[in-house]
Amino acid sequence: SAVISQKPSRDICQRGTSLTIQCQVDSQVTMMFWYRQQPGQSLTLIATANQGSEATYESGFVIDKFPISRPNLTFSTLTVSNMSPEDSSIYLCSVEDEDSHYEQYFGPGTRLTVT
Amino acid sequence: LAKTTQPISMDSYEGQEVNITCSHNNIATNDYITWYQQFPSQGPRFIIQGYKTKVTNEVASLFIPADRKSSTLSLPRVSLSDTAVYYCLVGYNFNKFYFGSGTKLNVKP
Repeated sequence: SAVISQKPSRDICQRGTSLTIQCQVDSQVTMMFWYRQQPGQSLTLIATANQGSEATYESGFVIDKFPISRPNLTFSTLTVSNMSPEDSSIYLCSVEDEDSHYEQYFGPGTRLTVT
Repeated sequence: LAKTTQPISMDSYEGQEVNITCSHNNIATNDYITWYQQFPSQGPRFIIQGYKTKVTNEVASLFIPADRKSSTLSLPRVSLSDTAVYYCLVGYNFNKFYFGSGTKLNVKP
């Protein structure tokens, strides 16, 4: 299994600003994923990030709003740009199990509040 | 992509067996069925996965009928610590798995 850490664990930001969330994995992984979970709701996949290529975004999410970096096989960042109160959510990163390919390990999440 | 339907919530008492059913009528031949558990303020955690018939591990069993249009997650002898949201996912290519609404299980003493 993989151990994932995220920074920051939570933040309160003003509208119009940007926040970069870091995701660190304790092993090298090919695929990393970013999810958003709004209060009391299920998880929504934002994008898939492979090292060495541009992230693939799901419908409703665009690179200008959620730029993603994947500089190496253990690290990724998600930036939430030009924030509004509607961006208040928990943002989670996850990685695919390299052996089974059917299991994902999730980080603890970053709780973002935009005022 | 196969859409899943689960009960929004369920109540149970400690020591009981809990069965949560998920409907996935348009499941494809290559799709697997996977269940995740999520506690408050934590990321989801993998519970069990299966393709057909029955799968059992140390924490749960997964029953899948022959037509595979539904599946049932069985949690034996639940405790208060099993209070969580349980998600059923269907797919074959993991980066295209989508979480449904989930079932909020409330275990009472």
